[in-house]
Amino acid sequence: GAGVSQSPSNKVTEKGKDVELRCDPISGHTALYWYRQSLGQGLEFLIYFQGNSAPDKSGLPSDRFSAERTGGSVSTLTIQRTQQEDSAVYLCASSRSRAYEQFFGPGTRLTVL
Amino acid sequence: GDSVTQMEGPVTLSEEAFLTINCTYTATGYPSLFWYVQYPGEGLQLLLKATKADDKGSNKGFEATYRKETTSFHLEKGSVQVSDSAVYFCALSSHNTDKLIFGTGTRLQVFP
Repeated sequence: GAGVSQSPSNKVTEKGKDVELRCDPISGHTALYWYRQSLGQGLEFLIYFQGNSAPDKSGLPSDRFSAERTGGSVSTLTIQRTQQEDSAVYLCASSRSRAYEQFFGPGTRLTVL
Repeated sequence: GDSVTQMEGPVTLSEEAFLTINCTYTATGYPSLFWYVQYPGEGLQLLLKATKADDKGSNKGFEATYRKETTSFHLEKGSVQVSDSAVYFCALSSHNTDKLIFGTGTRLQVFP
């Protein structure tokens, strides 16, 4: 079946602009994760959704970052007033439920000029 | 907090050489341990995992054993191929949270 998909694959934006990154998880997967991969910080957890439970936002680096998951499926990660240090590859992963294998999407490469 | 430390790269080997990539962790409780691989131009893929002490994860000729006494999960392969060239990430997830905590990654380059 189809894997995790993310869009756009690349996004170039100017400092101060808002961006939205989209993740389509594998159908039927109830858990969804966002991670960030950057040169300086490696791979770091951002936020986790599991079913209808309150999301675990403990990894969001600032209040400029937010995410939502509509209808238990598609998720959008929003970065407001982007800064150059936000430049990274943003990865989405989904799993059948908590504690199951996480399947990763190809990522969105964000470049903030 | 929980953390993962893995050896710096790049690791450069000739084809058919023996591979070891070291990984140690710090965690409260009993985490699950993983190796993920990122091939050039591709997304992260789970390579192998172990969920309790002394478990051995294996896949595609790679192996890693969960060593609680040394808090380690070293990745090994007896004979690497050019196609194994990739970045390898060690990771853990704690029993009470499902987020993955990753090491910094180790780039492996295998030459014919």
